[in-house]
Amino acid sequence: EADIYQTPRYLVIGTGKKITLECSQTMGHDKMYWYQQDPGMELHLIHYSYGVNSTEKGDLSSESTVSRIRTEHFPLTLESARPSHTSQYLCASQRQGSHEQYFGPGTRLTVT
Amino acid sequence: GESVGLHLPTLSVQEGDNSIINCAYSNSASDYFIWYKQESGKGPQFIIDIRSNMDKRQGQRVTVLLNKTVKHLSLQIAATQPGDSAVYFCAENMNSGYSTLTFGKGTMLLVSP
Repeated sequence: EADIYQTPRYLVIGTGKKITLECSQTMGHDKMYWYQQDPGMELHLIHYSYGVNSTEKGDLSSESTVSRIRTEHFPLTLESARPSHTSQYLCASQRQGSHEQYFGPGTRLTVT
Repeated sequence: GESVGLHLPTLSVQEGDNSIINCAYSNSASDYFIWYKQESGKGPQFIIDIRSNMDKRQGQRVTVLLNKTVKHLSLQIAATQPGDSAVYFCAENMNSGYSTLTFGKGTMLLVSP
């Protein structure tokens, strides 16, 4: 069982609010990822990091930002939430040299 | 752009049957491929991976086949159980210099007792 956690699990918030989705892993993995997934659809990579102070944008354009100040922590921030941001956000981590990405349980975000 | 896709959106089988889930990919330069299982309300769970220089790889009750000639990937599940019911995604690593994955559309596997 992978030790990767996401909070909150569910969030309903009004348009224009700033939100931060938390992701933490206790496995010491250098690589971490954020994906966006609409119900029943494929995952789209929005951000990734290969280590502390390293962040890159993924394939899907996103208005969110990320930071990687500590190895175990990779928060995602939306400065001004919009209804189009309604989706599930999945965080994953990966050990160097392995193909396997371990996923957290996800945060289901609804912006009203 | 190049993408990974699945042929069947839903597959219904009886418990004990063998299941085959298919995936077509278009990037012949992909370095490796992975199958993930996602149960309702959970994050995806790694099942098995296969490098592009392999044709077949076996795990516990699962086998992944890679046909590079027709750019086709399949996941075979032996003796399917109700606990196998989930959405299955294939993913490919399109850039060997990075470990990022491109996911295909999922296939829902429904196993009836």
